Amino acid sequence: DAGITQSPRHKVTETGTPVTLRCHQTENHRYMYWYRQDPGHGLRLIHYSYGVKDTDKGEVSDGYSVSRSKTEDFLLTLESATSSQTSVYFCAISESSGSDNGYTFGSGTRLTVV
Amino acid sequence: SQKIEQNSEALNIQEGKTATLTCNYTNYSPAYLQWYRQDPGRGPVFLLLIRENEKEKRKERLKVTFDTTLKQSLFHITASQPADSATYLCALRPNSGNTPLVFGKGTRLSVIA
Repeated sequence: DAGITQSPRHKVTETGTPVTLRCHQTENHRYMYWYRQDPGHGLRLIHYSYGVKDTDKGEVSDGYSVSRSKTEDFLLTLESATSSQTSVYFCAISESSGSDNGYTFGSGTRLTVV
Repeated sequence: SQKIEQNSEALNIQEGKTATLTCNYTNYSPAYLQWYRQDPGRGPVFLLLIRENEKEKRKERLKVTFDTTLKQSLFHITASQPADSATYLCALRPNSGNTPLVFGKGTRLSVIA
């Protein structure tokens, strides 16, 4: 989607390996989010950021860490991937926490842990 | 416990009819509700926002209502078209601090020609 890019789009990795997913935005938005989407669960928040170096945990943060050293980049790391982390991961951005324009989502990263 | 539920996993409707999707919530006091459209293999796309003090919002063929007494939002697509076929997600913003959006599981709408 315009202004937000996720990489890679697809990844297959082995259990126990670390994995980093990248979200890059060109909108200069303050807020960035990582969600995962699974059948039967919908979108669930992993972590979010409200500024450079300011992050907080979401509903399903165990096994994940994040970093935001620049406004435009928000990295999600699976410290030691497990099969339960097989999912589609979406990054989203917003201008403010109460943005009338909603969140803008990336196209997602499909991660398979074997 | 807190819940946001979209009652139908899937909804089939004939072209030209009005599609109505339901979103209910429990133990939240949302500042507002949002609706998103998601196509297969893509990220959700924002459609509409309705605040707690608003009863109804319209945008072209879309209409959203918000009833804080019933704890429910209804999403209507009038004169539905096959191109409206997609999954529709509701999301609420809890009325506490900077808490991000909480999403429902979505309703998959199929509009049949």
